[in-house]
Amino acid sequence: EAQVTQNPRYLITVTGKKLTVTCSQNMNHEYMSWYRQDPGLGLRQIYYSMNVEVTDKGDVPEGYKVSRKEKRNFPLILESPSPNQTSLYFCASSRDRVLYEQYFGPGTRLTVT
Amino acid sequence: TQLLEQSPQFLSIQEGENLTVYCNSSSVFSSLQWYRQEPGEGPVLLVTVVTGGEVKKLKRLTFQFGDARKDSSLHITAAQTGDTGLYLCAGVEDSNYQLIWGAGTKLIIKP
Repeated sequence: EAQVTQNPRYLITVTGKKLTVTCSQNMNHEYMSWYRQDPGLGLRQIYYSMNVEVTDKGDVPEGYKVSRKEKRNFPLILESPSPNQTSLYFCASSRDRVLYEQYFGPGTRLTVT
Repeated sequence: TQLLEQSPQFLSIQEGENLTVYCNSSSVFSSLQWYRQEPGEGPVLLVTVVTGGEVKKLKRLTFQFGDARKDSSLHITAAQTGDTGLYLCAGVEDSNYQLIWGAGTKLIIKP
């Protein structure tokens, strides 16, 4: 089954404790993105990747890091999480940047206390 | 980054009624997508429209892309409780291939 998986689905952590949210897709898609979704603000892109070893900042990259060492995986790293990073996070992949149709993972609800 | 303007932000109607959701921008899009998101899940792609004036139907859902490719609408006929969810539009800007998102329309269909 074609899918995007994310782990963990739920995470409660404390300020400053480094964490990684994993993302994997099995559709051989070139493009992958990370979004955060907050009430009233819609989906905002954090980082995206056009291919292995090619990543770029989205609209809200501060406080986040990503890597793309393999085509299928695109982890999101929070080196020193803060409470304003409490949010619902989605990983997505896309076959191309022409139609740019996004296939989303199930989401990770992160709470930073 | 500009958002696509979606309206209404919230809509609550009775089962069986019809409704239309709008997605507007001053930008021209090479394509526009509609997604539905249910609570606790990721958005799911419903349709992509690419040609100005294009109309696509998905059962009781009708999607239209504006002639100038700056706007789109989603019409639901005889809404059902299963249509409840957050509807998002997203457009690929013609000028730079950036994907721009609307803030969403939260739709509740009451039995």
